[in-house]
Order: sequence, then C-alpha cells, then structure tokens
Amino acid sequence: NAGVMQNPRHLVRRRGQEARLRCSPMKGHSHVYWYRQLPEEGLKFMVYLQKENIIDESGMPKERFSAEFPKEGPSILRIQQVVRGDSAAYFCASSLGGTDTQYFGPGTRLTVL
Amino acid sequence: QQQVKQSPQSLIVQKGGISIINCAYENTAFDYFPWYQQFPGKGPALLIAIRPDVSEKKEGRFTISFNKSAKQFSLHIMDSQPGDSATYFCAASSMGSGNTPLVFGKGTRLSVIA
Repeated sequence: NAGVMQNPRHLVRRRGQEARLRCSPMKGHSHVYWYRQLPEEGLKFMVYLQKENIIDESGMPKERFSAEFPKEGPSILRIQQVVRGDSAAYFCASSLGGTDTQYFGPGTRLTVL
Repeated sequence: QQQVKQSPQSLIVQKGGISIINCAYENTAFDYFPWYQQFPGKGPALLIAIRPDVSEKKEGRFTISFNKSAKQFSLHIMDSQPGDSATYFCAASSMGSGNTPLVFGKGTRLSVIA
C-alpha cells in the first residue's frame, strides 16, 4: 500500500527559475491538498484539488503559483520566477473523499539561491 | 483562515511522564480536530482526531480532551517515551460545511529525556 509520493524530495533553484513539484496521491484517492511549511512554522494551506478541478485556491499567492491535478498523472504545483521567500517545505496530502482523513507525503524541500 | 493557537512552543518531559499540549480556536464552524506527529525530514502523520460530539478520545497512550464551550482541545501523551520526541501539530477544519483544508497550529517540539 504505497503512501503519498512526492518528488523531488529536494529541489534547488536560482532566483527567477521555475520549480515544479509533483504529488502522486494514495491509490484510490481523488482529493489532493498542497500545504507550505516555513521553518519553525505550522503548515499553511495553499490549494485543494480534485481530478481536473481546483476546488479551493484561497491560500495560494495570486501570482507565480499554479496547481493542477490532471485526469492522468500526478498533481503538479508550479512556481514561476522563484524568489528566496519561496524557500520552504511543500507537502501534499491526499484523501479518499473531501471529508476523509488527509494523508501527507514526505514533502519537497525547495531551496532558492 | 481563522487561526489555531498552540502552546507550548517546546516541551521537555522525563521518560514516563505526561506530555500535555494545548490548542485553542476561534471559528465555531470547526468540527474536526486532528493531531499530527512529525519527525525531522518527514511528512506529518495523523496521530488521533476528535469531533465535537465527544469530550474525550483515547487511543493507546494518546488522549484528546475537547472543551467545546471554551473552544479548546488538548493532547495528552501518557508514559512518554524517547521515541515520542517529535513535533506535534494540532489542526482544525470545517468538514460539515465542506471547508476541508486543515488550519494548523504552529507546532510543539517535544523532547522526552531518559
């Protein structure tokens, strides 16, 4: 029973580059959430997606950030023109349904130089 | 998003002792309160969760106490062990209204010393 998978686990980008973070939910799960964790902080919600739909993106910055969860393949969190303030751990979680337990992946640690 | 306030920020407990972490919330629409455990370099893992129709839930050495009128809930770890040393996060969400993203506290770093 594979859990939530995220890749890459570590990502280093220079300012101005693009970062692409991938999340494969648990088998059978069609709900995906992305959270960001800054050092010494709790996790902050960014976006909630179901297959091919964005349900709630209220926590996502309006510029440079986008997310998708296509019919086939993993969910992608894309950060364009990264800045140093984007350095953080990005976690995705998946659930069977919208009101079910969220299971978290191991995270992608993004470092912007 | 409404905040969830968590305390203490860090906690040192002797092996065999009781660890207590507290959380408070403001949004009365919250109806689901999970606790997550996170080890360094890992993702959060669900430990135990409670809904407001009960005042206490126990699973092994872990107990959640919930006070709806005070809008507070706490995690008690009985017989704390060195392997419990981790960061603990409380969280809340409004499952009933379909607002399911979790709102997290800032975390408590627990160290259990022998």
